[in-house]
Amino acid sequence: EAQVTQNPRYLITVTGKKLTVTCSQNMNHEYMSWYRQDPGLGLRQIYYSMNVEVTDKGDVPEGYKVSRKEKRNFPLILESPSPNQTSLYFCASSLSGRGGYTFGSGTRLTVV
Amino acid sequence: SQQGEEDPQALSIQEGENATMNCSYKTSINNLQWYRQNSGRGLVHLILIRSNEREKHSGRLRVTLDTSKKSSSLLITASRAADTASYFCATDSSGSARQLTFGSGTQLTVLP
Repeated sequence: EAQVTQNPRYLITVTGKKLTVTCSQNMNHEYMSWYRQDPGLGLRQIYYSMNVEVTDKGDVPEGYKVSRKEKRNFPLILESPSPNQTSLYFCASSLSGRGGYTFGSGTRLTVV
Repeated sequence: SQQGEEDPQALSIQEGENATMNCSYKTSINNLQWYRQNSGRGLVHLILIRSNEREKHSGRLRVTLDTSKKSSSLLITASRAADTASYFCATDSSGSARQLTFGSGTQLTVLP
């Protein structure tokens, strides 16, 4: 089944403890992206990648890192999480970035 | 930054009625897409309309695009309780960066 898989689905962590949210797609998509969703603010793009080793900042990249060493994987790294990064995170992929996106099921992160 | 703004923010209708949601955006686009999100879940791509298209149909969905007014509408005909969800428009803006920018969403409730 064609899908985007995010892990974990839920995560509670403490301020400053580094964490990684994994994202993997099995559709050979070139384009991958991370979004965060907050009440009243909608979905905001964090980072995106047009292909392996090509990444770029979205609208809210501060406090996040990404890497794209393989086409299928696009992990989101929070080096020193803070409470304002408590949010619902979505990974998405697209064949080229111009068509429809396939979204993962989301990761609900709470930073205390 | 949010490109699209949906209207209304919330809509409640009876099963069998039609639901219309509107989206306005600010810049030139390559295409406009509509997504559905069930509570807390990942977004699901519904339909894509290109900037040179004026209307598109998919099952019970009808999308229109007016680039002169920078607006789009999504019509769901003969709504069902299972259509209850949040609906988002997303714009793929003209330019080099392949970023999809989402609106704030319309919460649709279909009452049985």
